Amino acid sequence: DAKTTQPPSMDCAEGRAANLPCNHSTISGNEYVYWYRQIHSQGPQYIIHGLKNNETNEMASLIITEDRKSSTLILPHATLRDTAVYYCIVRSYNQGGKLIFGQGTELSVKP
Amino acid sequence: DTAVSQTPKYLVTQMGNDKSIKCEQNLGHDTMYWYKQDSKKFLKIMFSYNNKELIINETVPNRFSPKSPDKAHLNLHINSLELGDSAVYFCASSLATNEKLFFGSGTQLSVL
Repeated sequence: DAKTTQPPSMDCAEGRAANLPCNHSTISGNEYVYWYRQIHSQGPQYIIHGLKNNETNEMASLIITEDRKSSTLILPHATLRDTAVYYCIVRSYNQGGKLIFGQGTELSVKP
Repeated sequence: DTAVSQTPKYLVTQMGNDKSIKCEQNLGHDTMYWYKQDSKKFLKIMFSYNNKELIINETVPNRFSPKSPDKAHLNLHINSLELGDSAVYFCASSLATNEKLFFGSGTQLSVL
């Protein structure tokens, strides 16, 4: 499985966009980029995923570079409730569905 | 209605005891998982079941035995509990193995 590298922590001002980077330089052609987050004392929550194209949903946008070696999760208007650990995961669909979590980025949204 | 529910939420027990954690999902999913989050907050997969069949067993000690009586339930039984088993255990489910996972709220196990 491809490994991911994320900064251990980031701060963001409330109401501003939070841009969380992720490097996955060894990603294979059939591997998807997934983002999950874990708010303190809760189970991980799915945010978004993509293969090649940029994706957007009600929670966030995912920007994947053309060479697919890195991606950025964008929370357009961060709120205090977005404070969490954000995990970037590269997932192959022939792995029985498992997600391999790294250390993630601890995002602190400050008033 | 909680989509993936685990019981109990907290479990405190002595070394050497046997305990079970129950998990139920009401999403109609075919695949269920158990993950362990240790004190350093690393989340690791333990088991995965698809249609009641074991498909992933990540070299977990055989003191841990998952049981799936039906597609909606995946219980985790742990024999001879050890101090190192203290962790938060998360159950999850997905529609299929290539779909997004929905996680429960976790069971915090403390072995004294």
